[in-house]
Amino acid sequence: GQSLEQPSEVTAVEGAIVQINCTYQTSGFYGLSWYQQHDGGAPTFLSYNALDGLEETGRFSSFLSRSDSYGYLLLQELQMKDSASYFCAAPRGGSYIPTFGRGTSLIVHP
Amino acid sequence: GAGVSQTPSNKVTEKGKYVELRCDPISGHTALYWYRQSLGQGPEFLIYFQGTGAADDSGLPNDRFFAVRPEGSVSTLKIQRTERGDSAVYLCASSFTSGSGAVEQFFGPGTRLTVL
Repeated sequence: GQSLEQPSEVTAVEGAIVQINCTYQTSGFYGLSWYQQHDGGAPTFLSYNALDGLEETGRFSSFLSRSDSYGYLLLQELQMKDSASYFCAAPRGGSYIPTFGRGTSLIVHP
Repeated sequence: GAGVSQTPSNKVTEKGKYVELRCDPISGHTALYWYRQSLGQGPEFLIYFQGTGAADDSGLPNDRFFAVRPEGSVSTLKIQRTERGDSAVYLCASSFTSGSGAVEQFFGPGTRLTVL
């Protein structure tokens, strides 16, 4: 089987930095993707890591450690509009179809 | 350009009825995916098309669920004899190729299905 574990909820204040963790168990691991979904909206792609290390895209960065089966999404200079659910996803072994984690609800307070 | 569109945005039906949900993917995207999302959960895979053929339907929960993509573009998810447990948001996504879909998929806004 395949599973991805994330915290259910994270809270932070505007301007702060927050890290959302994702641990995975999968065979034939390809890489880890991250998606953002606002309430009632469509998931939108944020970032992807195929190799170990940090990928930076503006205020958002994503990290992967394949040896630890672990990754995280780092959000800097938090804004109110960052309040949303964040999902990590990885393709199941032998397939291109991603399995999604249950998602982390990020609540940003003023 | 236009993104993935889904119609209807909301569908309320009675238990036992038949429903069709439509997905219009991004033009040129060969791979199309259907997911179901319940409150507080991540998208759950249902079926994947590469072109016109269903390449993987292992996520369909039972034979009441069926999907088609006859011309390799628009897809329709069909649910027969709906049950209250089918209530969820049904998401459609597309990607340029199946391989690129392992990295990044483009999602539609979803159809919220409510079975009374």
